[in-house]
Amino acid sequence: DAGITQSPRYKITETGRQVTLMCHQTWSHSYMFWYRQDLGHGLRLIYYSAAADITDKGEVPDGYVVSRSKTENFPLTLESATRSQTSVYFCASSEQPGGTEAFFGQGTRLTVV
Amino acid sequence: GENVEQHPSTLSVQEGDSAVIKCTYSDSASNYFPWYKQELGKRPQLIIDIRSNVGEKKDQRIAVTLNKTAKHFSLHITETQPEDSAVYFCAAYNNNDMRFGAGTRLTVKP
Repeated sequence: DAGITQSPRYKITETGRQVTLMCHQTWSHSYMFWYRQDLGHGLRLIYYSAAADITDKGEVPDGYVVSRSKTENFPLTLESATRSQTSVYFCASSEQPGGTEAFFGQGTRLTVV
Repeated sequence: GENVEQHPSTLSVQEGDSAVIKCTYSDSASNYFPWYKQELGKRPQLIIDIRSNVGEKKDQRIAVTLNKTAKHFSLHITETQPEDSAVYFCAAYNNNDMRFGAGTRLTVKP
């Protein structure tokens, strides 16, 4: 599904490095979300955005930064990666608030060594 | 905040049997309850959802029921097929906050 794409698909980085995960959607959806998926925790919301230049914290925002200068892009930055941030990261978009009826990207598997 | 518990964590059924996955939530203000299916290495995909003003919703072999009083909702899959094998996640939404259950790994044995 080319509507929402994430890059890279896989990333290995070292502790303390900055890393940015990209998310791009072609639907012009207003809402975009970043989740992390860890075994035993399901999906947890990191940050979300209701529109360009509007972002807000989710359940687990510490250690992450987001921006949304354009409606179609929603990058997630780990400013100083830690091993606890090893996870699979999913971006999602929706025309509805709060992630209702959301469509997910393919995911980025990030390993911090 | 909202807390969603999902049971069972694993479920194995024979092809053709029914499968039921249950979720409970804590926030009575939650008003939207989606179910996602995630195949191995793939993205979660919305398969069915229900809003708090509805008690049941069906879509072919899948159905979701909601009991607002008891604060629980369930996914029902009938006539299961091997391609139904996946991890299923429930979620509850209120006020820009979507909380997911930990997931149920469903295996359908041929």
